[in-house]
Amino acid sequence: KQEVTQIPAALSVPEGENLVLNCSFTDSAIYNLQWFRQDPGKGLTSLLLIQSSQREQTSGRLNASLDKSSGRSTLYIAASQPGDSATYLCAVRTNSGGSNYKLTFGKGTLLTVNP
Amino acid sequence: DTAVSQTPKYLVTQMGNDKSIKCEQNLGHDTMYWYKQDSKKFLKIMFSYNNKELIINETVPNRFSPKSPDKAHLNLHINSLELGDSAVYFCASSRSVYTQYFGPGTRLTVL
Repeated sequence: KQEVTQIPAALSVPEGENLVLNCSFTDSAIYNLQWFRQDPGKGLTSLLLIQSSQREQTSGRLNASLDKSSGRSTLYIAASQPGDSATYLCAVRTNSGGSNYKLTFGKGTLLTVNP
Repeated sequence: DTAVSQTPKYLVTQMGNDKSIKCEQNLGHDTMYWYKQDSKKFLKIMFSYNNKELIINETVPNRFSPKSPDKAHLNLHINSLELGDSAVYFCASSRSVYTQYFGPGTRLTVL
């Protein structure tokens, strides 16, 4: 059974700092990994998706890396801004039988960027 | 343009009632999902439909019944609501195994 862990559970940083969020998963047989952002009372917004054959993906100030063999992914946020404050969720997609796949989520990291 | 929409946004009801939550996506995706986010913010998949066919059914009580009238809609019907059903329910859609897009959520409160 796939389990996804995110560390730390909460992180508070001053504006402008670079930061790293960590995600680990127990079953390395993943199809891909997706990072999401969730604002309070809102739905999830997809940030980056990394295929299992890829090592990293970049979008603006965000960079996600994947080390499938060790079951780890990191989300790097450069030059953090107060608007980055949100909960960041990591999810891995694994085969659930036949050609069906499902996402398993971590519990998220609550990020607060202080002005 | 709303990609994945859910109605209602808030639902407050008494124990024992039956309620439905509707979901629609206009992205042309072939796969739709229902997730439950509990009070500790843990998000867990409940159901997945691909081209109107149920493909994932996680150990969810049979009081929960998804219905997909067409590829763009996946509704969730809940019978005999219990206190423990209180949560935020998210609908999502994707094209096969690619990026999932989430709706804004429906906050269900059972009194």
